[in-house]
Amino acid sequence: AQSVTQPDIHITVSEGASLELRCNYSYGATPYLFWYVQSPGQGLQLLLKYFSGDTLVQGIKGFEAEFKRSQSSFNLRKPSVHWSDAAEYFCAMDMSGNKLVFGAGTILRVKS
Amino acid sequence: DTGVSQNPRHKITKRGQNVTFRCDPISEHNRLYWYRQTLGQGPEFLTYFQNEAQLEKSRLLSDRFSAERPKGSFSTLEIQRTEQGDSAMYLCASSPSLGELFFGEGSRLTVL
Repeated sequence: AQSVTQPDIHITVSEGASLELRCNYSYGATPYLFWYVQSPGQGLQLLLKYFSGDTLVQGIKGFEAEFKRSQSSFNLRKPSVHWSDAAEYFCAMDMSGNKLVFGAGTILRVKS
Repeated sequence: DTGVSQNPRHKITKRGQNVTFRCDPISEHNRLYWYRQTLGQGPEFLTYFQNEAQLEKSRLLSDRFSAERPKGSFSTLEIQRTEQGDSAMYLCASSPSLGELFFGEGSRLTVL
């Protein structure tokens, strides 16, 4: 079945530490891949997207993600986390060009 | 720059009642999506419009659910004879192009 898996439900990091959020997808070909962030009381916001080409993509707020075909992964990274990054992060894929399939999300907590 | 607007933001209703949610997309976006999100889960696709045409509906969308987008502008999502299992956040998103969804803040439905 076509799906997106985010193995970590919660992650806690200290402010200033590096961050990596994991995302794996299941699909027979390479889908379009996305990361969204959802802060409390706010709508989902697109952080970055991968369609093709360079496998390391840069996004907003200092985030980047790397597509690895061999691992069916699209992990999100940030070198130094700020307290304002605390939110829920969703990985998503688009197979048909018509809709996104989302993972269950990872809640990021930032310790001061 | 007005984003995607959803109303009402929160609706509490009794089981068996009908409810309607409205979504006003970003004006130049021709694609409009409805998603449903329950606690601890990522958004699940419900339906998708391109202009006024409803192009795809999820099997999640039972006969009690209907969505419209008259004239290709705002959209409504109606749920008839609500059930407690319908309690969720209903998200609307619009898109100018492939994959770049802009989400509203959602309409939370509580069915008592």
